[in-house]
Amino acid sequence: EIVLTQSPGTLSLSPGKRGTLSCRASQSVSSYLAWYQQHPGQAPRLLIYGASTRATGIPDRFSGSGSGTDFNFTISRLEPEDFAVYYCQQYEKSPITFGQGTRLEIK
Amino acid sequence: EVQLLESGGGLVQPGGSLRLSCAVSGFTFDNYGMSWVRQAPGKGLEWVAGISDSGGSTYYADSVKGRFTISRDNSRNTLSLQMSSVRGEDTAVYYCASHPFALFWGQGTLVTVSS
Repeated sequence: EIVLTQSPGTLSLSPGKRGTLSCRASQSVSSYLAWYQQHPGQAPRLLIYGASTRATGIPDRFSGSGSGTDFNFTISRLEPEDFAVYYCQQYEKSPITFGQGTRLEIK
Repeated sequence: EVQLLESGGGLVQPGGSLRLSCAVSGFTFDNYGMSWVRQAPGKGLEWVAGISDSGGSTYYADSVKGRFTISRDNSRNTLSLQMSSVRGEDTAVYYCASHPFALFWGQGTLVTVSS
């Protein structure tokens, strides 16, 4: 199966700053990569699919880039509601797999 | 409004069985593949199983292959997960979601495997 490794495990930043999360795949997933946000006690929310396409209603401060094995997810200017756990997911090949998550916390 | 409502979770003994259901409304169900995704307490997301829009193709994580069965009824807009021979490590919140990437999510149902 394709293993996704997210880094860092935890990212501590202040509101208003820029945050970048990484996701590396153990083999190429082309652009079949999605990013999700999850707040405690809530279901995840799709932010990005196709590596760089924002889902409907997602603010443009969220962006994704990359293809093949290396991907980045960027929040250009952190809002208080952006502090959460973020997961990448590949859907190029079954079984679908998720990264272990990056916790974005307030510094 | 899109709604996915899971039901059927609860306490089950190791080796037992449980059937989860997900009632869908607000989008054209038979246009979408569907999945079950789980999250053990304090842990990350784990994809469990997926099914094509017609129901003709199914996919499973190795951890549940041969024990769980995903199915759908497009006439009733319902997704199901039949869980058999459950183990402690199956304890999790189970979400139904669209597939292959999850545009739509339910709120989850908790399955606890314990004697």
